[in-house]
Amino acid sequence: TQLLEQSPQFLSIQEGENLTVYCNSSSVFSSLQWYRQEPGEGPVLLVTVVTGGEVKKLKRLTFQFGDARKDSSLHITAAQPGDTGLYLCAGANLRGATNKLIFGTGTLLAVQP
Amino acid sequence: DSGVTQTPKHLITATGQRVTLRCSPRSGDLSVYWYQQSLDQGLQFLIQYYNGEERAKGNILERFSAQQFPDLHSELNLSSLELGDSALYFCASSGQGSNQPQHFGDGTRLSIL
Repeated sequence: TQLLEQSPQFLSIQEGENLTVYCNSSSVFSSLQWYRQEPGEGPVLLVTVVTGGEVKKLKRLTFQFGDARKDSSLHITAAQPGDTGLYLCAGANLRGATNKLIFGTGTLLAVQP
Repeated sequence: DSGVTQTPKHLITATGQRVTLRCSPRSGDLSVYWYQQSLDQGLQFLIQYYNGEERAKGNILERFSAQQFPDLHSELNLSSLELGDSALYFCASSGQGSNQPQHFGDGTRLSIL
């Protein structure tokens, strides 16, 4: 069974602080996606990383895919209250020609003004 | 707006009943995925359809079934409902090809009384 463990599970920080969320697995994924979900809404795609070692930046968010494609991290610089939400990593494995996603356990982030 | 439409937004029913959840994918997307989100299990993959045919199955109960119609919309049927089926049910769609990102609807919140 493929599992994706995220840490930390909960994070409450002050506006302006930096943070890193980790997503780890013992399985190799063909790609990894990061989503943010707010209450009452569906997960919204932030980024897709495909290549081992890949780093992608989205304004204040930096995403990295591990060299072995088993883990990923999300770093937020100078967090803002608008960053508050549930962050989910999700791995895709092309075995069986399906793009089904295995979701991580989630990191609930609260940024206090 | 992800372009994925799910109806209804909320559904309240009783144990033993049957319900149908509907999903319209983004224009041009051939793949539809169904996921269940609960507090204790997180986001779990249920089933995937591609251009009308079942592509992959996850942790979907035998009481649950799905189909994708020629116009590519999909329905998830849940029968003999139990209290434990109360959850958020999400539909996602993606384009053709490997590592295509999935875009999620806002979900249907199912409450079993």
